[in-house]
Amino acid sequence: QVQLQESGPGLVKPSETLSLTCAVSDYSIRSGCYWGWVRQPPGKGLEWIGSIYHSGSPYYNPSLKSRVTILVDTSKNQFSLRLSSVTAADMAIYYCVRHLNVWFYFDYWGQGTLVTVSS
Amino acid sequence: QSVLTQPPSVSAAPGQKVTISCSGSSSNIGNNYVSWYQQLPGTAPKLLIYDNNKRPSGIPDRFSGSKSGTSGTLGIAGLQTGDEADYYCGTWDSSLSWVFGGGTKLTVL
Repeated sequence: QVQLQESGPGLVKPSETLSLTCAVSDYSIRSGCYWGWVRQPPGKGLEWIGSIYHSGSPYYNPSLKSRVTILVDTSKNQFSLRLSSVTAADMAIYYCVRHLNVWFYFDYWGQGTLVTVSS
Repeated sequence: QSVLTQPPSVSAAPGQKVTISCSGSSSNIGNNYVSWYQQLPGTAPKLLIYDNNKRPSGIPDRFSGSKSGTSGTLGIAGLQTGDEADYYCGTWDSSLSWVFGGGTKLTVL
């Protein structure tokens, strides 16, 4: 059973950069699959942020592309999210996810981590 | 405004059947598989249906999915109080982006 666990600061100041990491257990990132991030503002719906293959170029949501970077660290079996110039609109629960290919369903989800944007 | 359109809420009595619609376009649902996710209160979403109508291991056959043209439908039969949750549809879009519906809140009366 693949396990995903998000970690990172729960509070980020406006205009700063949000950084999160997702540790993957019981599956080697090098084995394949796409690894991504989905967020959910409090009381609202899901929004895909982007996904990356362990050895390929990432796909980003066009609405966030200018501010997003997703990287993979195969040595630590984890991947990360960086979102720059955050505003209150970026406050959300951030989930890390796995999918077999970028256009395939998300079969595993992390438990999520709440990121608050406030000074 | 979500790319995929779902009803905000549906409700039905225990034991009854309910359907949730997900409307898109030829840029997304019309040319890609639909998946459905169940989000119980306070938890992460969970895959419920993939490839339009397939159930992951462990999902009861009370849950079903279908697709016709640019719309997908989730069906839940034999409703139980434990089915109360938010349900989301999702699919890949030609803009090279994943898109979701706005979510549907299911109430079991």
